[in-house]
Amino acid sequence: ETGVTQSPTHLIKTRGQQVTLRCSSQSGHNTVSWYQQALGQGPQFIFQYYREEENGRGNFPPRFSGLQFPNYSSELNVNALELDDSALYLCASSFWLSERVYEQYFGPGTRLTVT
Amino acid sequence: QQQVKQSPQSLIVQKGGISIINCAYENTAFDYFPWYQQFPGKGPALLIAIRPDVSEKKEGRFTISFNKSAKQFSLHIMDSQPGDSATYFCAASTYHNDYKLSFGAGTTVTVRA
Repeated sequence: ETGVTQSPTHLIKTRGQQVTLRCSSQSGHNTVSWYQQALGQGPQFIFQYYREEENGRGNFPPRFSGLQFPNYSSELNVNALELDDSALYLCASSFWLSERVYEQYFGPGTRLTVT
Repeated sequence: QQQVKQSPQSLIVQKGGISIINCAYENTAFDYFPWYQQFPGKGPALLIAIRPDVSEKKEGRFTISFNKSAKQFSLHIMDSQPGDSATYFCAASTYHNDYKLSFGAGTTVTVRA
């Protein structure tokens, strides 16, 4: 088990609603990345946060946004939920030093179902 | 588009046998290649990783083979055990964006006792 925790474990929302998912990084880590994993597929990179700023983004629309807090924990916010947003959302923490990110360790994920 | 192509989609192996999963990539800027193991209802767990300065890396029963010229890498699971039954993902990232992992589609491995 990694030290990365996520909450909630499961969530059911209705199309058009907004959702906030939370992640606590492993101790000693200073970056957080978020991934979306649709059923039967590999995770897709959403974005990464370092020093409380978005540092890189994958091919996801602006209604996916995030925050990183001074204690390195993070939130993923999704507005105007669509049915296709139903997926497992994974948070991964890592340590960034000298322009390199070291191994990423994933949390257990939040299963989001949009109806 | 999928930057890392993984095969096979699934495989069944007898206990004690060898499981082999292959991945191929096009982006020559990739320089970090981790493998993750995922059990149902869990997040992916880092299994083993390699950088292109070596052609092989072994950790216990898990070995990564890397062929830079062919742009291919593979995971070998030796002496497969029922507890190895899981979905395995290969991934890759570049030096300047090494936080952005590009994952393969996954291989579901079933080890029969």
